[in-house]
Amino acid sequence: RKEVEQDPGPFNVPEGATVAFNCTYSNSASQSFFWYRQDCRKEPKLLMSVYSSGNEDGRFTAQLNRASQYISLLIRDSKLSDSATYLCVVNTRNTGFQKLVFGTGTRLLVSP
Amino acid sequence: DGGITQSPKYLFRKEGQNVTLSCEQNLNHDAMYWYRQDPGQGLRLIYYSQIVNDFQKGDIAEGYSVSREKKESFPLTVTSAQKNPTAFYLCASRVRGQPNEQFFGPGTRLTVL
Repeated sequence: RKEVEQDPGPFNVPEGATVAFNCTYSNSASQSFFWYRQDCRKEPKLLMSVYSSGNEDGRFTAQLNRASQYISLLIRDSKLSDSATYLCVVNTRNTGFQKLVFGTGTRLLVSP
Repeated sequence: DGGITQSPKYLFRKEGQNVTLSCEQNLNHDAMYWYRQDPGQGLRLIYYSQIVNDFQKGDIAEGYSVSREKKESFPLTVTSAQKNPTAFYLCASRVRGQPNEQFFGPGTRLTVL
């Protein structure tokens, strides 16, 4: 079983739609959680951290459910520029070293 | 401007040749990382360094080597022992002790012919 699992997609949505991605993680000792965005053939960039209380940044809302070990990302009013791959990332501690574990990513395609 | 640079952006090599990928950062970050990304797979950790003159193997270190002689630089050598070297290589850095954001360089796409 992968440490971090995501539906690879692609999710095809029209502009203005609301879309949600989920991610599950297997290590219950995981400490912090993130969503990164990666454009085609580019490097990943931090989109937002995910807090236990849930957090919102404009059209983006992230939530964490520790009991069920899943993380979600909701994008409202999708824009063409939201088309990208969204990586779920989990920070775990391994023998004193804090390690980021990356999911394979969920691809989003927003069409006119 | 502060950031991470990787060079070259594209690299072609013949099978059996060693190749060194450059990674430089001027963010004054202590920790640096090398990942590889293959289609349909998440980023996988090759090597990391938390401080100058110290580095540790990640999950897929076989066939790779690194050095960390300067805080700003963390070059990765892909040796002929690496069986499937064609991939997208990403270097990252962060402030040591901060578990949060890693900043990535633009990556080097290595193709072995």
